[in-house]
Amino acid sequence: AQSVAQPEDQVNVAEGNPLTVKCTYSVSGNPYLFWYVQYPNRGLQFLLKYITGDNLVKGSYGFEAEFNKSQTSFHLKKPSALVSDSALYFCAVTRGSARQLTFGSGTQLTVLP
Amino acid sequence: ETGVTQSPTHLIKTRGQQVTLRCSSQSGHNTVSWYQQALGQGPQFIFQYYREEENGRGNFPPRFSGLQFPNYSSELNVNALELDDSALYLCASSLTGGATNEQFFGPGTRLTVL
Repeated sequence: AQSVAQPEDQVNVAEGNPLTVKCTYSVSGNPYLFWYVQYPNRGLQFLLKYITGDNLVKGSYGFEAEFNKSQTSFHLKKPSALVSDSALYFCAVTRGSARQLTFGSGTQLTVLP
Repeated sequence: ETGVTQSPTHLIKTRGQQVTLRCSSQSGHNTVSWYQQALGQGPQFIFQYYREEENGRGNFPPRFSGLQFPNYSSELNVNALELDDSALYLCASSLTGGATNEQFFGPGTRLTVL
């Protein structure tokens, strides 16, 4: 079985400040981890993924995420938030033999001007 | 390069009816996955098709069925609609069925069951 927890339904941050969106996972074996973003009335857009290697992964729009195996976490970060980053963010996990992505419940990020 | 497209955008049905949703995969992608996203929740995996064969299925009843065509486009069929089937249905394509490949999502079909 595989699961993802996003402990915060809502994160608010001021424009220009750093942001963190939290994600923890549970999976048998080595995890493959993904972050997606969803804008209103739109599908999900891929941001970044961790498969293996360097624990710090860089992705689109200045986002990065840090894989921490001991804490089973994969938090999304950005050094300086923009108002346009306001959206719904989903963390997802899968593993080598699996076909499905398992998503968390999402975190609504609001960047205040 | 054309992205993932879905039709229709919105659909209203009544309980007991049947519905077919359509998806065109991104150019060069041979794998299509379908997800159900209820309001306020993350997407839930329904099934995946790889080269016209079902390649994995989530915890959905048999009244959810699908097809993939030789051009890798896909259909999701839902029979005997229930009120709880009201959701956004997302189609995603990927380069292959491998777990390391990111999935590219379409805009979704919003299904309302009355």
